[in-house]
Amino acid sequence: QKEVEQNSGPLSVPEGAIASLNCTYSDRGSQSFFWYRQYSGKSPELIMFIYSNGDKEDGRFTAQLNKASQYVSLLIRDSQPSDSATYLCAVNLGGADGLTFGKGTHLIIQP
Amino acid sequence: DAGVIQSPRHEVTEMGQEVTLRCKPISGHNSLFWYRQTMMRGLELLIYFNNNVPIDDSGMPEDRFSAKMPNASFSTLKIQPSEPRDSAVYFCASSLAPGNEQYFGPGTRLTVT
Repeated sequence: QKEVEQNSGPLSVPEGAIASLNCTYSDRGSQSFFWYRQYSGKSPELIMFIYSNGDKEDGRFTAQLNKASQYVSLLIRDSQPSDSATYLCAVNLGGADGLTFGKGTHLIIQP
Repeated sequence: DAGVIQSPRHEVTEMGQEVTLRCKPISGHNSLFWYRQTMMRGLELLIYFNNNVPIDDSGMPEDRFSAKMPNASFSTLKIQPSEPRDSAVYFCASSLAPGNEQYFGPGTRLTVT
């Protein structure tokens, strides 16, 4: 049974600080990892993806992957109120499998 | 380029009626996914197609749900008969291949009374 776990939150972070979102997954064979942002009443929007151990940076966002610990995280630097949303972690085993989504973490950036 | 297109955006129907949701994937994408999202259960994969062929329908709740993909640019999700517990937001997503990043449509908010 493939599982992707996220703390549902809400996670409250002051504006300008670093928001850290975490995700663990059960299947050691997982090969690719994705972060989506979903605003209330909207559809999930891809933020970034990561395939290899280590860090991947894109603007204010950094994804971190540790396959040995089965852990992937998303850091948001200089948090803005517009970053307030639910963040979904998704994992792929590879091959013909689709993505398995976590239930998401609700992030609130306090002005 | 147009993203994933879904219709209708909102659907309100009475219990027992047939509901058909439609999706047009991004041109060139070979994989198409249907999801259902509720507060209680989060985002659930119902079924996905690769090259118009259903690959995994294990998430389809019961026989009242069916999905088709007659060609590379169109898919439908049908619920017959609909029940109040089917009320949710239904998303369609597409990707180049099953394991690649998926792009979501705007969703259809279904309310069954």
